[in-house]
Amino acid sequence: GQSLEQPSEVTAVEGAIVQINCTYQTSGFYGLSWYQQHDGGAPTFLSYNALDGLEETGRFSSFLSRSDSYGYLLLQELQMKDSASYFCVPTGGFKTIFGAGTRLFVKA
Amino acid sequence: NAGVTQTPKFQVLKTGQSMTLQCAQDMNHEYMSWYRQDPGMGLRLIHYSVGAGITDQGEVPNGYNVSRSTTEDFPLRLLSAAPSQTSVYFCASSPPRSLGSGELFFGEGSRLTVL
Repeated sequence: GQSLEQPSEVTAVEGAIVQINCTYQTSGFYGLSWYQQHDGGAPTFLSYNALDGLEETGRFSSFLSRSDSYGYLLLQELQMKDSASYFCVPTGGFKTIFGAGTRLFVKA
Repeated sequence: NAGVTQTPKFQVLKTGQSMTLQCAQDMNHEYMSWYRQDPGMGLRLIHYSVGAGITDQGEVPNGYNVSRSTTEDFPLRLLSAAPSQTSVYFCASSPPRSLGSGELFFGEGSRLTVL
């Protein structure tokens, strides 16, 4: 079967660092993607980890441990515009499941 | 560079009416899918297709039909609209999983209200 766990909400202060954890269970795993979605908008792709380790893209980094079925998204130097929902999405099989995501609130 | 195009962007239906949400992509992607998103929730997979002529059910397929006669188009049909189908609908596409970056390309969404 498939399962996905992320915290429902995270609150952090502008300029801080926040980590959003994700544990998953899926068949035919290829990699782990992360998406950002602002209110009223469509999800936008942030990163993809096919191999274990850390991938860095500007202020955002994403980590994957395939053996632990675990990943995280690290957001540095938080800005108000980072307030959004974040989804970890295991890529495996044909049913791409998003789950409920993590709502990030950035406070001034 | 159109990407994934959804029409209409907004639609109001009465209970029992039928309609089709259109989705087209110009990236020659094999995989296409439809999601619905209700307020404060994540995206739930309705139907998906791995190529022309091939479709399958997702998490919440009841009340919806799809077909895939061409690589470019993947319409979603509501046969008899119900208030429970009030939602935002997103179409997405991607290249083959084994070759791609894991990225789903999304349309802007279609906001449907059923009265």
